[in-house]
Amino acid sequence: GAGVSQSPSNKVTEKGKDVELRCDPISGHTALYWYRQSLGQGLEFLIYFQGNSAPDKSGLPSDRFSAERTGGSVSTLTIQRTQQEDSAVYLCASSFRTGNSLSGANVLTFGAGSRLTVL
Amino acid sequence: AQSVSQHNHHVILSEAASLELGCNYSYGGTVNLFWYVQYPGQHLQLLLKYFSGDPLVKGIKGFEAEFIKSKFSFNLRKPSVQWSDTAEYFCAVNARYGGSQGNLIFGKGTKLSVKP
Repeated sequence: GAGVSQSPSNKVTEKGKDVELRCDPISGHTALYWYRQSLGQGLEFLIYFQGNSAPDKSGLPSDRFSAERTGGSVSTLTIQRTQQEDSAVYLCASSFRTGNSLSGANVLTFGAGSRLTVL
Repeated sequence: AQSVSQHNHHVILSEAASLELGCNYSYGGTVNLFWYVQYPGQHLQLLLKYFSGDPLVKGIKGFEAEFIKSKFSFNLRKPSVQWSDTAEYFCAVNARYGGSQGNLIFGKGTKLSVKP
């Protein structure tokens, strides 16, 4: 598509429920990122996928968080047993390629985000 | 691991004032540096980037940033701000080489409010 699409745009859930957030990156982009944006906390890196390589999961805050990327395209971020502190905007971004190439490396295109509210 | 510090949480300026937003990073190796901007109600978008070469880089809308390697800094500047520059600005860094090269780390952001 023309941009990075995320769904749902807004999600309200009850504490303890599981949620799934979806990201559809720009066609042809090999790298996909998930970030969490909380008020006053900036953008917190969660996970990134690059091609067929093992994802970098170093930013996932707990084992309740997981993500997968199917077929090198669409990604789903799953939060199990949600807690109130999980409330935030979850941003997805994609880029053409990553690594030490100077051309186009790591220039991220962001989606509009999924706002999660845990009651 | 890399980290990014943005010193100002909220900056309030009048139109035509000059702007400088501080950004310092912590990483011992070669880095790529970025400034992203988020206008109210809009997506994050790239403002400018530094990969190599001239340490003074120019971006969109009259913004520029200077990479000072000895100070681990990449401050954002604009000589004369406009009301339309009201936004939140994020500095970001990633390692050019190594296993964490894809990991783009952002600062906490600086909110800029420009009074008309």
